[in-house]
Amino acid sequence: ELKVEQNPLFLSMQEGKNYTIYCNYSTTSDRLYWYRQDPGKSLESLFVLLSNGAVKQEGRLMASLDTKARLSTLHITAAVHDLSATYFCAVDRAGTYKYIFGTGTRLKVLA
Amino acid sequence: DGGITQSPKYLFRKEGQNVTLSCEQNLNHDAMYWYRQDPGQGLRLIYYSQIVNDFQKGDIAEGYSVSREKKESFPLTVTSAQKNPTAFYLCASGQSSYEQYFGPGTRLTVT
Repeated sequence: ELKVEQNPLFLSMQEGKNYTIYCNYSTTSDRLYWYRQDPGKSLESLFVLLSNGAVKQEGRLMASLDTKARLSTLHITAAVHDLSATYFCAVDRAGTYKYIFGTGTRLKVLA
Repeated sequence: DGGITQSPKYLFRKEGQNVTLSCEQNLNHDAMYWYRQDPGQGLRLIYYSQIVNDFQKGDIAEGYSVSREKKESFPLTVTSAQKNPTAFYLCASGQSSYEQYFGPGTRLTVT
């Protein structure tokens, strides 16, 4: 059974600090997705990682994928309050159209 | 504008009533999906459809039904057999097995 685990589940950090969110998955997959969700809202796509070693950056966020380790990271650089949200990773089950979502990481950036 | 629409945004129903949630997309995507999200939780797949007139059960299909008569539309019916229907329902669409795009969601409350 494919499992996707994120840690930490909750993260409270000061503005200006750096931190990394981890996403581990239990079976082979070459594609991993990161989404952001604001309270009461839908999911917004952040990054699509399609191969081993893929690295994408947008503003203060950088995502990477290591398919051999079955690990993706979302690194936050110099956090600002606007980054406060819940972040989900999702892995698609090989050979299917289906995603499995991680549990989510609720990030709160304190001013 | 291309996108996914869901209606209504909020829906209130009495226990024992069936209710249908609408999802429409004009992105010309082949695949469409329905997810359920409970408070503080990740997303769980209810049903998905890869082509018109075909759909498959996801992980939590019991008590739900869908149809896919048109490429643009994928309505979800929450039946009275669903034991705990109160949740946030998200529709998504995608092309092939790549990135999924999410609608704004419908918040269903059953009392």
